[in-house]
Amino acid sequence: SQKIEQNSEALNIQEGKTATLTCNYTNYSPAYLQWYRQDPGRGPVFLLLIRENEKEKRKERLKVTFDTTLKQSLFHITASQPADSATYLCALADNQGGKLIFGQGTELSVKP
Amino acid sequence: SQTIHQWPATLVQPVGSPLSLECTVEGTSNPNLYWYRQAAGRGLQLLFYSIGIDQISSEVPQNLSASRPQDRQFILSSKKLLLSDSGFYLCAWTHRGRDYGYTFGSGTRLTVV
Repeated sequence: SQKIEQNSEALNIQEGKTATLTCNYTNYSPAYLQWYRQDPGRGPVFLLLIRENEKEKRKERLKVTFDTTLKQSLFHITASQPADSATYLCALADNQGGKLIFGQGTELSVKP
Repeated sequence: SQTIHQWPATLVQPVGSPLSLECTVEGTSNPNLYWYRQAAGRGLQLLFYSIGIDQISSEVPQNLSASRPQDRQFILSSKKLLLSDSGFYLCAWTHRGRDYGYTFGSGTRLTVV
């Protein structure tokens, strides 16, 4: 069956360090992959999209990699700040219809 | 600019009562529209999506239904709520075609008692 897995345990890091979040998937052939940020009690906010033929995408302090052979995406936040503390969701869209399917999310906590 | 409105923000309903949640999008036309549900501490589950008026696909069989009476209006309904319908309901839209991020509404926290 199709599955998207993100680290269920919260990630705790020190301010200034790089946070790395992982998204693994099975039985998908995604056309693209997206990352969202969600704060408690709020709707997710779109951060980045990376296509199947792209290896890496950057936006300010954010970097996403996409390895279709490993079936994995890594999401990096460099020079992390306490304001980056949130839950980060990975989402895949397949080639048929483009519906987004979300992972469970990983909670990131950046300590000052 | 495009905006998405979703209401109400919170709702407490007794078991067996009806439900109607509304979502509207402004500043765009022909959006793809989506209803998701998020249980506490869980990911988002896709419930319904629509690519046009009266074109609605259901992803999860349940006692919920969706309608799209106008291009930019999406309604989630139930005739009789169950305890298991409690959750955080999110409406979202995106442009037609692929390669666009979703824009989510602020969500409705539904508690069925």
